[in-house]
Amino acid sequence: RKEVEQDPGPFNVPEGATVAFNCTYSNSASQSFFWYRQDCRKEPKLLMSVYSSGNEDGRFTAQLNRASQYISLLIRDSKLSDSATYLCVVNGGGGSYIPTFGRGTSLIVHP
Amino acid sequence: DAGVIQSPRHEVTEMGQEVTLRCKPISGHDYLFWYRQTMMRGLELLIYFNNNVPIDDSGMPEDRFSAKMPNASFSTLKIQPSEPRDSAVYFCASSLMGAQGANVLTFGAGSRLTVL
Repeated sequence: RKEVEQDPGPFNVPEGATVAFNCTYSNSASQSFFWYRQDCRKEPKLLMSVYSSGNEDGRFTAQLNRASQYISLLIRDSKLSDSATYLCVVNGGGGSYIPTFGRGTSLIVHP
Repeated sequence: DAGVIQSPRHEVTEMGQEVTLRCKPISGHDYLFWYRQTMMRGLELLIYFNNNVPIDDSGMPEDRFSAKMPNASFSTLKIQPSEPRDSAVYFCASSLMGAQGANVLTFGAGSRLTVL
């Protein structure tokens, strides 16, 4: 089983739609969790951290379910500019804080 | 801060040639990572350094790959000899370990390598 798994998509949604991505991780000792965004031919950039209590940043909501070992990202009122690949990142566990990246989920928002 | 700076941005070379990729991390960061990204394999961790010391190079594909970090402000990734299957985007990233092991990476713009 891969350490961090994501549905590669693509998710093809109209503007204004709500879309959700899930990510599962295998190391139950993992300590911290993030979502990164990567635009085409660009580097990954931090989108948001994921806290145990869940957190929101504008149209974006991230949640963590430790019992089921998954994290989620919800995007409301999708914009054309949200089109990108969203990477799930899990920081180690068992003394390792090295981030492991998922393969990413591709989102295409169309007019 | 200028962020993580990588050079060259693009490199096209012929099989068998030596390739050297360079990275300047963000000042004050104590971790430096080298990743490789391809369509087939996604983002792969090649090696990382902590305080200039290589910690884990288990992701380095084979002996043709080597990485150094002679000081806190510079790192290189060398491929010798290069092969067509090395064609990929190579990212350097740096970070400062935060509370509870939160390790948030800042990536450079990447070096796009094409080996003919």
